[in-house]
Amino acid sequence: NAGVMQNPRHLVRRRGQEARLRCSPMKGHSHVYWYRQLPEEGLKFMVYLQKENIIDESGMPKERFSAEFPKEGPSILRIQQVVRGDSAAYFCASSLDRQGIVQPQHFGDGTRLSIL
Amino acid sequence: AQSVTQPDIHITVSEGASLELRCNYSYGATPYLFWYVQSPGQGLQLLLKYFSGDTLVQGIKGFEAEFKRSQSSFNLRKPSVHWSDAAEYFCAVGAPAAGNKLTFGGGTRVLVKP
Repeated sequence: NAGVMQNPRHLVRRRGQEARLRCSPMKGHSHVYWYRQLPEEGLKFMVYLQKENIIDESGMPKERFSAEFPKEGPSILRIQQVVRGDSAAYFCASSLDRQGIVQPQHFGDGTRLSIL
Repeated sequence: AQSVTQPDIHITVSEGASLELRCNYSYGATPYLFWYVQSPGQGLQLLLKYFSGDTLVQGIKGFEAEFKRSQSSFNLRKPSVHWSDAAEYFCAVGAPAAGNKLTFGGGTRVLVKP
């Protein structure tokens, strides 16, 4: 499967624990995006990364959330000290790199995070 | 800032009937427009996109969309729906000036009656 791979598909955490969500982009894609989808809502942009760089994190909460896309390995979205309001589906997308053109983004199947 | 409105939260259509989903966007220049479909428990699949050129674009699964600059709209259509088209549909807008992030509408859930 050459698509965007996210794991785990489902993640259950208790309040105060840490959640780590992983995303491997499509082969050949160098841009990664994270979106959050609350129940019955559309997707909200969180962060946009290229290898070893955060390009835009304007949608990321200022506290407890962080993201990285290291030179080797998947992109990681990390949520520290989770709270009930963090329960949502988190989607990763990837795209090619074309200067000045908004490339179509290809989405993974998401990680459903549930906070007990 | 760009924004997207999908006025219809739910639409019910009979199998074999036509379908039109509305999308209105707000952006100062020519936007990049996308329609995605999401089946339950799945990620988003790209149906079609508009960047420039012919304002009527064809996508996968028999869908098409028409860009109307004067109405700031990018409505999605299908002449004859199949039961497998039951899903949630999202319109999204992107712009180079805003980086590569997409702004999504709230979605329209389509139910297909036999």
